[in-house]
This record gives sequence, structure tokens and C-alpha cells, in this order.
Amino acid sequence: DTGVSQDPRHKITKRGQNVTFRCDPISEHNRLYWYRQTLGQGPEFLTYFQNEAQLEKSRLLSDRFSAERPKGSFSTLEIQRTEQGDSAMYLCASSSENNGGNTIYFGEGSWLTVV
Amino acid sequence: AQTVTQSQPEMSVQEAETVTLSCTYDTSENNYYLFWYKQPPSRQMILVIRQEAYKQQNATENRFSVNFQKAAKSFSLKISDSQLGDTAMYFCASLYSGAGSYQLTFGKGTKLSVIP
Repeated sequence: DTGVSQDPRHKITKRGQNVTFRCDPISEHNRLYWYRQTLGQGPEFLTYFQNEAQLEKSRLLSDRFSAERPKGSFSTLEIQRTEQGDSAMYLCASSSENNGGNTIYFGEGSWLTVV
Repeated sequence: AQTVTQSQPEMSVQEAETVTLSCTYDTSENNYYLFWYKQPPSRQMILVIRQEAYKQQNATENRFSVNFQKAAKSFSLKISDSQLGDTAMYFCASLYSGAGSYQLTFGKGTKLSVIP
């Protein structure tokens, strides 16, 4: 059983550019989550999908952020017009409704540096 | 809203010794779950142990065990026979899955160093 995979692992971009991260959850996990983690802090929730439906969004997810999960499998997180404050690790996670959805497994994360 | 507090930013332990990491949480819910995650320098968050709030028995996973005190809203992690590979950031987290929400709320973490 492969784990949650994320791509790219590292991204350096200039301020104002758009970036997109991809997440492939554990196969057959119907729930998918995005979190953001800055240095010295615990992860903070951004958004949650059940299958293809985006059911919950944090107020941290500004209008410049958009997440999709078009076929209920992989997901993308796009950040438009990046700002230096967007520099962080973006973590994807997944879980299965079948086990109650209460054990959430994380990927290795995508590091974003905005210069 | 749920909050999770880890009051020990850093800790160290000698190899083969036992260490306890503290965590307190605040929730008004009755049905919730608690977790300890480990994040080594490679950065992947790894689940260490989980506890269902409705279970009185403390969870155990090999060298890792918890002391769950529901009334005190305390959830500490004990690591026995510490190994060098245990060096990592440890995050305590809570999950309340009522009303269709599946947000994990994390503490700020405790950096554990295992000394040879």
C-alpha cells in the first residue's frame, strides 16, 4: 500500500507567480486534506474533500488559493499571485471513511519558497 | 473550537531511557480522538498512536504509550527504551468529527532529542 505522495517536493518561485501542487492519496481513501505548516509551528488545516466534493474550507484559504479534486482521486492546490507569506510546507493527507475516517495519513509535503 | 497545548518546546533523553511528552487540550465535545504524530528531520508526519475519547483504556503501540486523563483533558506520550531514531518533532493533535468536520487541530510541537 503506497503512501500519500506529493509533487513537487520543493518549489522556489518569484513573488506574483502562480504555483500548483499535486497530491495522490492512498488508494481507496475517499477523504483528502490540505494543511499548511510554517517553521516552528504545527500544521494548520486548509481544506477537506470527501470524494470530489470540497466540504470544508478554512478562513486561511484566501481567494488566491484554490483546491480541486475533479475525479475524487488526486487533488491539486493552486496558489495565484504568490506572496512571501505563502512560503511554507503544504501537506496533503488522506483517510478512509471505511475505518471511520479518524486516522489521517500524511504525505511528505511540498516546500514552497517565495522570493 | 478545539485547542491543543504542548508546554515543552524542547526535551532531551538519554538513549534507552524513558521520556514523557505533555499535551493538554480543550474541547466541549464528548466524541473526539487524540493523536500523537512524529515528524523527523525528513519532514514526513508519521502517526505514532491514537486514542478514542470514549475508551478508558490507554493506547499502547510497542514502546509508545499514552496516559489519557479525560477529566483533566490531558494526553501525554511516554516513550520507553528511547532510540536515536526517535529524535524528531512530536505533535499532539485532536480531531472532532461531529457535524461533518474532520479538522485535525495540532499543538506547536515538542522537539525531542535522543542523546547517545
